[in-house]
Amino acid sequence: ETGVTQSPTHLIKTRGQQVTLRCSSQSGHNTVSWYQQALGQGPQFIFQYYREEENGRGNFPPRFSGLQFPNYSSELNVNALELDDSALYLCAVKQDRAETQYFGPGTRLLVL
Amino acid sequence: GNSVTQMEGPVTLSEEAFLTINCTYTATGYPSLFWYVQYPGEGLQLLLKATKADDKGSNKGFEATYRKETTSFHLEKGSVQVSDSAVYFCALSDRSNFGNEKLTFGTGTRLTIIP
Repeated sequence: ETGVTQSPTHLIKTRGQQVTLRCSSQSGHNTVSWYQQALGQGPQFIFQYYREEENGRGNFPPRFSGLQFPNYSSELNVNALELDDSALYLCAVKQDRAETQYFGPGTRLLVL
Repeated sequence: GNSVTQMEGPVTLSEEAFLTINCTYTATGYPSLFWYVQYPGEGLQLLLKATKADDKGSNKGFEATYRKETTSFHLEKGSVQVSDSAVYFCALSDRSNFGNEKLTFGTGTRLTIIP
């Protein structure tokens, strides 16, 4: 059991606002990835952090940014929210040489 | 680029029926293959995985075999239960890009089991 937690569970914002989502793992996994899952779709890779550095990014604009902290917790920041940003945001953690990623329960964001 | 194609749903079966959910992939490297399951209102749970050709992943009665010759990783279960109702995602991870092993997912297959 990896104990991956995300906060908040649900969030409502309006267009143009900014949002910060958080992810933490009890097991101290040092690699974290963020995914966006639109309704009825599979998750799409946003970016990955390893040892506090971004080391991979999907097809998302720069207004999606992230941080990883020394305790391996992570934040996803989205600026200038758009209606299409409404989705379930998932973080996934793993150890650096492991292949399996373990997902948190997600944060459901609604942009009005 | 990498891609995953899943059998479109939704799929509705009676309890104790045999289940197959098809998954094929396209990858430039030597991917690992995964099945994840998502129950209503929850995140993704790893169901099973296979890391090389001819490997069989199995868990909770579900099985999938990594077929390199057909680029497939079909999910099967011999006798489904109502509790198996969920959305199932096939995914791959390209291990040739160490440090950035992003998962590429299919669109998901919604499975409903009726008593």
